[in-house]
Amino acid sequence: GAVVSQHPSRVICKSGTSVKIECRSLDFQATTMFWYRQFPKQSLMLMATSNEGSKATYEQGVEKDKFLINHASLTLSTLTVTSAHPEDSSFYICSASFRNSVGNTIYFGEGSWLTVV
Amino acid sequence: DAKTTQPPSMDCAEGRAANLPCNHSTISGNEYVYWYRQIHSQGPQYIIHGLKNNETNEMASLIITEDRKSSTLILPHATLRDTAVYYCIVRVSPGANNLFFGTGTRLTVIP
Repeated sequence: GAVVSQHPSRVICKSGTSVKIECRSLDFQATTMFWYRQFPKQSLMLMATSNEGSKATYEQGVEKDKFLINHASLTLSTLTVTSAHPEDSSFYICSASFRNSVGNTIYFGEGSWLTVV
Repeated sequence: DAKTTQPPSMDCAEGRAANLPCNHSTISGNEYVYWYRQIHSQGPQYIIHGLKNNETNEMASLIITEDRKSSTLILPHATLRDTAVYYCIVRVSPGANNLFFGTGTRLTVIP
């Protein structure tokens, strides 16, 4: 199937600093990518929809100025957690939609563990 | 997207078939049934999807009832590596690309 890659897989940052997570579609073009957050023992929660060449759409309760999303090309979306705090520590996952002859399937990246100390 | 209901957990003996049920009684005619799984500390993995016919691929089989109000994911020969949380999701395809994740079924394959 289609491949979506995230980097870094794990990152530790100091409180108050910013950290960037990349999401790449390796063998297909994705006009739309999605960013999720998952806390331990909980399900995935959609944070925002990343649209290539336009502003991201954020879910209710997600601060757009804190979680900056840039989708500058058809294969790359980035999520920047600005002024990170310990409560931002979580598992961040991106996904991208791949359309083929059997329909529209969403593939996920491996996820990125963020720890803010 | 239609809501789904899954049992919170199931056990399966290694080598046996794992049958994971999903109820989606409010599914619309243009909504597909998707199955994903999430192994601990990894991103969700696509397994299979279908509209109304039964589907099979190298990972699993998907059985959808004739009224489409429920489905079953079958892992024919479960291995320890199949231990994961399995999510049943219904959504329009193509259409809104977001996936709504419920709580899923935590499948534990027992040696």
